[in-house]
Amino acid sequence: KAGVTQTPRYLIKTRGQQVTLSCSPISGHRSVSWYQQTPGQGLQFLFEYFSETQRNKGNFPGRFSGRQFSNSRSEMNVSTLELGDSALYLCASSRNLAGENTGELFFGEGSRLTVL
Amino acid sequence: DAKTTQPPSMDCAEGRAANLPCNHSTISGNEYVYWYRQIHSQGPQYIIHGLKNNETNEMASLIITEDRKSSTLILPHATLRDTAVYYCIADRGAGSYQLTFGKGTKLSVIP
Repeated sequence: KAGVTQTPRYLIKTRGQQVTLSCSPISGHRSVSWYQQTPGQGLQFLFEYFSETQRNKGNFPGRFSGRQFSNSRSEMNVSTLELGDSALYLCASSRNLAGENTGELFFGEGSRLTVL
Repeated sequence: DAKTTQPPSMDCAEGRAANLPCNHSTISGNEYVYWYRQIHSQGPQYIIHGLKNNETNEMASLIITEDRKSSTLILPHATLRDTAVYYCIADRGAGSYQLTFGKGTKLSVIP
């Protein structure tokens, strides 16, 4: 079956602009989480959505936001871009069935954002 | 979540077993040990997880010590495609998706 799909794969923005990244989870997966990866900070958790509700949020400023649609697809938005927002943004999905160990995440290939 | 400690890098000869250690001395009773790997410029890939019993799947084996303070991921016959950063994570894995990735171990498989 198809894996987690992220679009766009690469994009370049300038400071002050905003960006929207999209994630389509594996069919049947209801949880979508987002991570930011930079050389300096490594992989850091941004937020997680389940059934259109944000359940967890990492330690990022309010410029970072997201949402999940009824079909489980998710988007994240970064407003007023800064140079430090240049990173690989990774989306991961999980089934999250009741009673099931749910630590297995399936990651997409990521969206590489460059802010100039 | 418990903190994990891994060596920053390791080398392994192609065809030999790669044994990647992880220390998680503060792990709590309800935390699983997860292993992921990330091949350059790709998203992380789940490998295996376990609670207290040893586990094996088609990719690897996970050996957890009896006191659960450390574990070892074993790739039985390493290939060049196994060159990646390997992350060991301790997490409850129950409705908690805030995985904490440390710096991991950069495994280099040498021809």
